[in-house]
Amino acid sequence: QVTLRESGPALVKPTQTLTLTCTFSGFSLSTSGMCVSWIRQPPGKALEWLALIDWDDDKYYSTSLKTRLTISKDTSKNQVVLTMTNMDPVDTATYYCARITHYDKAFDPWGQGTLVTVSS
Amino acid sequence: NFMLTQPHSVSESPGKTVTISCTRSSGSIASNYVQWYQQRPGSAPTTVIYEDNQRPSGVPDRFSGSIDSSSNSASLTISGLKTEDEADYYCQSYDSSNWVFGGGTKLTVL
Repeated sequence: QVTLRESGPALVKPTQTLTLTCTFSGFSLSTSGMCVSWIRQPPGKALEWLALIDWDDDKYYSTSLKTRLTISKDTSKNQVVLTMTNMDPVDTATYYCARITHYDKAFDPWGQGTLVTVSS
Repeated sequence: NFMLTQPHSVSESPGKTVTISCTRSSGSIASNYVQWYQQRPGSAPTTVIYEDNQRPSGVPDRFSGSIDSSSNSASLTISGLKTEDEADYYCQSYDSSNWVFGGGTKLTVL
């Protein structure tokens, strides 16, 4: 059974750096084609793709956020970490991680999500 | 980069059929697979259609997907609507190292 779980702070202050960890089980990120992605959803708004890391350690970022994002993996710990710098209240959202088995396939499954609020 | 445009909301009665569209702004809708996700309030999205028209196990055959190259759009059709189908639905596709979600459609079953 494939599962993913997000963890990180529920509250960050403006200008701080957010660090989120996705801990997964049931698959290996060293398997060819395997990827983990981060997606966020502000309250009441649509899903927004943020970043993806693949089995070969290639990294891809949303064009609009790429200067603020860094994605990395620790294959031995089955973890993917996302950092987002210079947090702003508009970054308040539920952050999800999800597995994808090939670039052109579905994000499936998703973690339960973690709500991050940016406020002073 | 391309965009995927969905209607903001649709509503239909139980037992009826509804279709949600997803129009790609540039590039061919057929060049990359389209996925559809269902999201109920307070829950993470789940896949109801993948690779344009494939249904994951456990998803009722009342859900179907298609693409139309003439309108450069994908569609999710739900027949025999049930109140439990009331949710937000998102289309998603990929192109050139960019993953894109539609703006979401709120389905009301009343």
